[in-house]
Amino acid sequence: QSALTQPASVSGSPGQSITISCTGTRSDVGSYDRVSWYQQHPGKAPKLVIYAVNRRPSGISDHFSGSKSGNTASLTISGLQPEDEADYYCCSYADVSLYVFGSGTKVTVL
Amino acid sequence: QVQLVQSGAEVKEPGASVKVSCEAHGYAVTGHFIHWVRQAPGQGLEWMGLVNFDNGYTKSTETFRYRVTMTRDTSDRAAYMELSGLRSDDTAVYYCVSEYSGTSSFTIWGQGTLVTVSS
Repeated sequence: QSALTQPASVSGSPGQSITISCTGTRSDVGSYDRVSWYQQHPGKAPKLVIYAVNRRPSGISDHFSGSKSGNTASLTISGLQPEDEADYYCCSYADVSLYVFGSGTKVTVL
Repeated sequence: QVQLVQSGAEVKEPGASVKVSCEAHGYAVTGHFIHWVRQAPGQGLEWMGLVNFDNGYTKSTETFRYRVTMTRDTSDRAAYMELSGLRSDDTAVYYCVSEYSGTSSFTIWGQGTLVTVSS
């Protein structure tokens, strides 16, 4: 199963909003509302920021939000902050391989 | 403190096997799946497989199906991942991750174990 497709990089100024896309197929993103997003700072383990497409775990800021349309899921970061600079990965439940991650997006705060 | 604690870094020669452990602390690991995810240097995350902590059921991707063995020990509250036939491209940080079954959300991550394959 191929990795889900994410843009390699996205950037924005503090206070702006950015959106990261995650494109899959009918065998994963398109068929299941089981998309999650992870934030990873350099040298650290990933951290869950969104699950079940648009749900936030306890303790995660509401400036993270998620959505899905067809085979593409999206993560929006509103009011970009310096500490949001990190790598972000989507992940979806999938027919064949059970789970597949996205290729990853580096977010830069200008 | 709720956490998964993994075993330390390993250096192995090509063709060898490595076994990584993952101990659950501070929460009831029953009702959870323990997943294994790896990340090669400078690369993205790759899902390898899972073990159902309650009944030991395992599932892995085709990539690892014949090389990976995932087990758990309920008395030790630990999960184990053994990868055989190591190659240089298996050099990576290996993470164990806990999912409360059915949520498809990887909520608790171990600190990662660096496995280096080199002759």
